Order: sequence, then C-alpha cells, then structure tokens
Amino acid sequence: QTVVTQEPSFSVSPGGTVTLTCGLSSGSVSASYYPSWYQQTPGQAPRTLVYSTNTRSSGVPDRFSGSILGNKAALTITGAQADDESDYYCVLYMGSGISVFGGGTKLTVL
Amino acid sequence: QLQLQESGPGLVRPSETLSLICTVSGGSISSNSYYWGWIRQPPGKGLEWIGSIYYGGSTYNNPSLKSRVTISVDTPKNQLSLKLSSVTAADTAVYYCARGSWDRYYFDSWGQGTLVTVSS
Repeated sequence: QTVVTQEPSFSVSPGGTVTLTCGLSSGSVSASYYPSWYQQTPGQAPRTLVYSTNTRSSGVPDRFSGSILGNKAALTITGAQADDESDYYCVLYMGSGISVFGGGTKLTVL
Repeated sequence: QLQLQESGPGLVRPSETLSLICTVSGGSISSNSYYWGWIRQPPGKGLEWIGSIYYGGSTYNNPSLKSRVTISVDTPKNQLSLKLSSVTAADTAVYYCARGSWDRYYFDSWGQGTLVTVSS
C-alpha cells in the first residue's frame, strides 16, 4: 500500500521560513496527485490551506504557499508567526476515488 | 455558508456497527460539483481517509478498512451517513465529515468532528 511521507516534526523561529514536504514511499509526487495541505490545531477540525499543489484556499494568508520541489509536494511558510504552531497534513489523490493522508508534521514556532 | 454537523452515539460496543450522520446545511448534498467524505483521527494520531461518495452514488473506501465501510447519502434529508461494522478499540477516533471538490480532489469544508469510543 502506498505511504505518503511527511517529516514528523519541524521547528522554525518567529519570522523565519520553513518548508514542509510530502512524498511517496515509492515514486515521485507531481501535480497529477492534486496535493492539498491542511492545518490542524489541538481539538479543532482541519483547516484547508492549499489545494491543487499551489492554490490557496479562501482567506489563507499569502505567506502560505504550495509547490512541487524535486519529487515531493511542499508547503512553505514565510514569516512564521506564533499561531502557525500546528499540525500540518498533506493529502494526495491516488486516482479511482482514493485519497491518502500523510502522517502529519508537528510544527513548533520558537 | 456551508455547515456540516456530525452526530451519533459516542460509545459503541466491540463487534457492533458504528453509525454516524452528517447533516449538511447551507448547500445541497446532491450538487454534482462536489463529493462527500469521512475522515477519522484516533486520539493523539494523524488523520485517516475512510471513504467518499460521489454524485450518482459511486463510493470509494480505504482498502485498509476492507468491506467494513458503507457510505450513503439521503438526499431529501441532506444527510451523509457512515456505517462501520465489526468495530474494535482501534476504531476509537474523532470522525469528521467533509465536502470534496470533484475536479480538484481536496476537502474544502469540514464538520467539527465527533468522538466515538469503542468499549464494552
């Protein structure tokens, strides 16, 4: 079964830039997987940040950006703020109606 | 504004069937621009896609859950339902319903989630 990989944890300084990645256990991620990214804080439902690789969802600040870097999808946060401290999940669409979540990245801002 | 609200028993006995309803307001569940899905999150763990139902009734489930999952839509009531059979403690989780965009394959709206505990 295909596994979607994410860094378990990452830290960034306030005002800094961080790039989280989303890969495949076998193969490369491309736009045809329609990568999407979600932010989740404890006790809350996920919030949609980015879809179709690099399209920001309505109301999402432009310091969040999505891309393909090498063989992975990536979410870059530029000018990190304290309230960006959250769990971040990517989802890849595998075709035939199947979506797969990555294991999530816990981002610490300190 | 679209709102999704999950409801159902908070406690289910092992080997029984978990049944949840997601009530959609502010939009039609029968729109052909969207599909509907269920996602769950065990305590302290990550999100897991359970399955989705598309316009016309086609359903797709997580292979890891095999044939235990049934997802359906009640159009007159504007509701989505989930049934998960033969539950074990491993099925204890917060269950979310969500709306998916059919041509971009992402979830654009989420319910607040409901905790279901499997225990005798």
